[in-house]
Amino acid sequence: KNQVEQSPQSLIILEGKNCTLQCNYTVSPFSNLRWYKQDTGRGPVSLTIMTFSENTKSNGRYTATLDADTKQSSLHITASQLSDSASYICVVRAFSGGYNKLIFGAGTRLAVHP
Amino acid sequence: GAVVSQHPSRVICKSGTSVKIECRSLDFQATTMFWYRQFPKKSLMLMATSNEGSKATYEQGVEKDKFLINHASLTLSTLTVTSAHPEDSSFYICSARDLTSNPTPYQETQYFGPGTRLLVL
Repeated sequence: KNQVEQSPQSLIILEGKNCTLQCNYTVSPFSNLRWYKQDTGRGPVSLTIMTFSENTKSNGRYTATLDADTKQSSLHITASQLSDSASYICVVRAFSGGYNKLIFGAGTRLAVHP
Repeated sequence: GAVVSQHPSRVICKSGTSVKIECRSLDFQATTMFWYRQFPKKSLMLMATSNEGSKATYEQGVEKDKFLINHASLTLSTLTVTSAHPEDSSFYICSARDLTSNPTPYQETQYFGPGTRLLVL
């Protein structure tokens, strides 16, 4: 069964600190993996996308890693800001011929406190 | 990046009425749009895939007659919640797939709208 599991469910950190969010998946066949940021009451916004051949991808203070062998990904946030408070969703695309489907993780809710 | 809008952003209606939610791709043509539902503190759940000019494909467990989808043009898809009940209260998000600017299927991108919060009293 295609699944995407994220940990932790929620996280509280102080402004300026770093944090790492985890994503484990069992999606097969794998096409790509994205990390999205979703502010409360808003739609998700893409942060990074990685295919199976990519190990790391950065977008400003966000750095995503991917280990296709262990089917694990992480999102590292550096020097957190109050505006980083949001839900971070790991999404894996399954690809098989003409069939494409996004498998969503439940997300990690990050709260950055001053 | 590509922009997807939704209207209205929030709506409150009485039980038994129908509510229409619009999803528009503002600067690209979207042959395919997707409708999701999200409960508080839960992840997005795909409801249906909307293809321009053809019938929508619904996920298992989603009532076709309850959630009517129309994708009449390359930039507009609508979701109508018919005879709404309090349990239909949720956050509805659409996304649109832009295939025209992507070189490979691996980089196929879905752009999400800002969502519509529906409250049925």
